[in-house]
Amino acid sequence: GENVEQHPSTLSVQEGDSAVIKCTYSDSASNYFPWYKQELGKRPQLIIDIRSNVGEKKDQRIAVTLNKTAKHFSLHITETQPEDSAVYFCAASRGGNTGKLIFGQGTTLQVKP
Amino acid sequence: DGGITQSPKYLFRKEGQNVTLSCEQNLNHDAMYWYRQDPGQGLRLIYYSQIVNDFQKGDIAEGYSVSREKKESFPLTVTSAQKNPTAFYLCASSIRGGEGIQYFGAGTRLSVL
Repeated sequence: GENVEQHPSTLSVQEGDSAVIKCTYSDSASNYFPWYKQELGKRPQLIIDIRSNVGEKKDQRIAVTLNKTAKHFSLHITETQPEDSAVYFCAASRGGNTGKLIFGQGTTLQVKP
Repeated sequence: DGGITQSPKYLFRKEGQNVTLSCEQNLNHDAMYWYRQDPGQGLRLIYYSQIVNDFQKGDIAEGYSVSREKKESFPLTVTSAQKNPTAFYLCASSIRGGEGIQYFGAGTRLSVL
């Protein structure tokens, strides 16, 4: 069935360093790839998304890249800050009328001051 | 925090008891979703509904039931058949036929007495 694998499960970086989280999806019909951030005790919130007709998208310190051939997409956070510490989830969807998202297992990012 | 309201925030279930989690949205979204979140397992889809009076099973529907009698409401019942109900439950909604962007409620934490 449809599956999204996310790595690593935990990631610890020093403040100011970059962080990279990688996801692989199985459904070749997927065309929408959002990333959600969930701070401790709070709801997941969308931070960035990308569609299959785009290879890269950037928003200030965060960027997402997509390799459709490899069925692989990644989240890049530069100049990390302590407030970036959270659990990050990738997801994949066929989009359209269903909007059904398949989530990865999550990555706990810790940014050390 | 407006948009999607989940209640209660904390819920305790006795053995053999059915409990109902509430989810209400005022975003005029057609689609609504229920997820279960366990440590290290990401978000797993329980049920989803694309339109009033219609809903589909997700990946882990056994032991759960839903109804969608009104556009703004999508309650989830955790039945006694669900033997391991302790988890964090998240409700989400999205525009049907949209980009798949889902907006989440603050969640309900269910524990077994």
